[in-house]
Amino acid sequence: ETGVTQTPRHLVMGMTNKKSLKCEQHLGHNAMYWYKQSAKKPLELMFVYNFKEQTENNSVPSRFSPECPNSSHLFLHLHTLQPEDSALYLCASSLKESTGDWYGYTFGSGTRLTVV
Amino acid sequence: SQQGEEDPQALSIQEGENATMNCSYKTSINNLQWYRQNSGRGLVHLILIRSNEREKHSGRLRVTLDTSKKSSSLLITASRAADTASYFCATAPKTSGSRLTFGEGTQLTVNP
Repeated sequence: ETGVTQTPRHLVMGMTNKKSLKCEQHLGHNAMYWYKQSAKKPLELMFVYNFKEQTENNSVPSRFSPECPNSSHLFLHLHTLQPEDSALYLCASSLKESTGDWYGYTFGSGTRLTVV
Repeated sequence: SQQGEEDPQALSIQEGENATMNCSYKTSINNLQWYRQNSGRGLVHLILIRSNEREKHSGRLRVTLDTSKKSSSLLITASRAADTASYFCATAPKTSGSRLTFGEGTQLTVNP
């Protein structure tokens, strides 16, 4: 375990379902991220939360809805997805240094999502 | 534009050999990081090199950074079969805050 826990590990959902992915970290980090990893594509940044505030939405379709209730938890709510949304969804967290720079990310193991 | 483009896309070597992977990027950065990913798992942070550093070592890893050429290399010495994984460079652009941009990765296979 890396300290960032993602659940579930695998998820199969129909296009009309609503589901949520959960990410949890107790590392004291103050930024959390959602990335999408599809086959043969670079990691795509989806959302960034710094100190619980969303600071970036990287043109993500509205069928993906993030929620960050506190600095330790991050959710990704899924609604009416498409088959092309099937991918590995990775959560990460990081800590801001006293210099203002950021340390490296700690990733969770990901949720393998299949939309049928 | 895509930051962090790795080269080669795939590399196959024998155990005990050294593996070198390269990364190029486009904009000014605060730091550059290398990550490793085993198949279907999350990424693991390996090493971070700041823009004012030229070389950094961690165990069998050696990273170099040339900001004038906007490039970095990762050298894994005395490779082992367990080093088989995908390796990604990630850049922290100066204007991006905490956001990292990842390249497409190099798939390294170390044959026993």
